[in-house]
Amino acid sequence: RKEVEQDPGPFNVPEGATVAFNCTYSNSASQSFFWYRQDCRKEPKLLMSVYSSGNEDGRFTAQLNRASQYISLLIRDSKLSDSATYLCVVRTNAGKSTFGDGTTLTVKP
Amino acid sequence: EAGVAQSPRYKIIEKRQSVAFWCNPISGHATLYWYQQILGQGPKLLIQFQNNGVVDDSQLPKDRFSAERLKGVDSTLKIQPAKLEDSAVYLCASSGGQGGNEQFFGPGTRLTVL
Repeated sequence: RKEVEQDPGPFNVPEGATVAFNCTYSNSASQSFFWYRQDCRKEPKLLMSVYSSGNEDGRFTAQLNRASQYISLLIRDSKLSDSATYLCVVRTNAGKSTFGDGTTLTVKP
Repeated sequence: EAGVAQSPRYKIIEKRQSVAFWCNPISGHATLYWYQQILGQGPKLLIQFQNNGVVDDSQLPKDRFSAERLKGVDSTLKIQPAKLEDSAVYLCASSGGQGGNEQFFGPGTRLTVL
């Protein structure tokens, strides 16, 4: 079993749709959680950190459930420019980061 | 602020040849990471440096891969000899300073082993 598992995707949605991605992690020592975005043939870039109380950044909402070792990302009112691969990242207190394999989102007009 | 620099951007070699990649992190970032990203997968950590010391190299295939960060700034990753399965994008990232734990990635080196 992988340390970080994500929905396999791909997700194909129309503009304006709401889409949610899930991620589970197995290492209970994990302390920090992130969502990164990776465009095709580009490097990953931080989208948002995930806090225990949940957090929102515009159309993006991230949730963390430590008991279930589960992280989610919700995108509302999808834009064409949201098309990318979304990577779930889990970091231990020792500073080791583990990436999921990503979920690909395609937003269509 | 200049980002993470990597070179070369692309490299094509034959199996059993050797290859080296270079990374210059963001100024002031103490932590440097090398990742291998195979097509369709997420980045896999190969090695993590804190200044010039190795923090984690548990997933580095040490029989063929080596990395150094001698002066605690730039770093090189070497593969010798290369295998077909080493074809991937090699990403360098750095973190630290005012960026905290956020990892900033370079553009990567796309390696093709024939």
